Amino acid sequence: EGLLVQSEGGLVQPGGSLRLSCAASTPTFTHDWMTWVRQAPGKGLEWVAKINPLGTGEYYVDSVRGRFTISRDNAREILYLQMNSLTDEDTGLYYCVTDAWWSFVYWGQGSLVTVSS
Amino acid sequence: VISQSPLSLPVTLGQPASVSCRSSQSLVHSDGNTYLSWFHQRPGQSPRRLIYQVSKRDSGVPDRFSGSGSGTDFTLKISRVEADDVGVYYCMEGPRGYIFGQGTNLEIK
Repeated sequence: EGLLVQSEGGLVQPGGSLRLSCAASTPTFTHDWMTWVRQAPGKGLEWVAKINPLGTGEYYVDSVRGRFTISRDNAREILYLQMNSLTDEDTGLYYCVTDAWWSFVYWGQGSLVTVSS
Repeated sequence: VISQSPLSLPVTLGQPASVSCRSSQSLVHSDGNTYLSWFHQRPGQSPRRLIYQVSKRDSGVPDRFSGSGSGTDFTLKISRVEADDVGVYYCMEGPRGYIFGQGTNLEIK
């Protein structure tokens, strides 16, 4: 297993919700900014959200702000992404990533999210 | 805006390859550093970082890979392409919203 192990993802209807999780065993999780990056089928990479080490600061790409919430449990070393009001444009592979000095060091294996009726 | 070229790169084994990444504005940060990274994604795998801050190679990355550039123009070079190098290469700038290039698909001729 890798340093970042993600939940499986799932199939959800438009308008539905899904929560992704990412269990970390990186050396410095509690000191790291963490990020979610997604990739639509056959497309490129897109940054989605990031959270500071204490979990007190969150940032989002415009297309998900107000619908997605990034959070973390430092005691358990888990990163989350709560996704609400999902649309078919949210379909894709979601990666949990360690963010250090404006770059992405460790990547999870990806969680497949499919939004379809 | 970050633009990569070419989008498709057929290369003969053992030959060099080069990917260009251009920004519409300077990527020099107010702290004096330039946070431009390169990633490689093999088919069916998660991306892996190769280069950060323009030219710093990650641990375990072969020295066949090198990054260069400044300001708005950056280049990833592979001195001798091997079969394991196939996949998509992305550049990314960090501070202005983690903007990725479109990706360059390297394939073996």
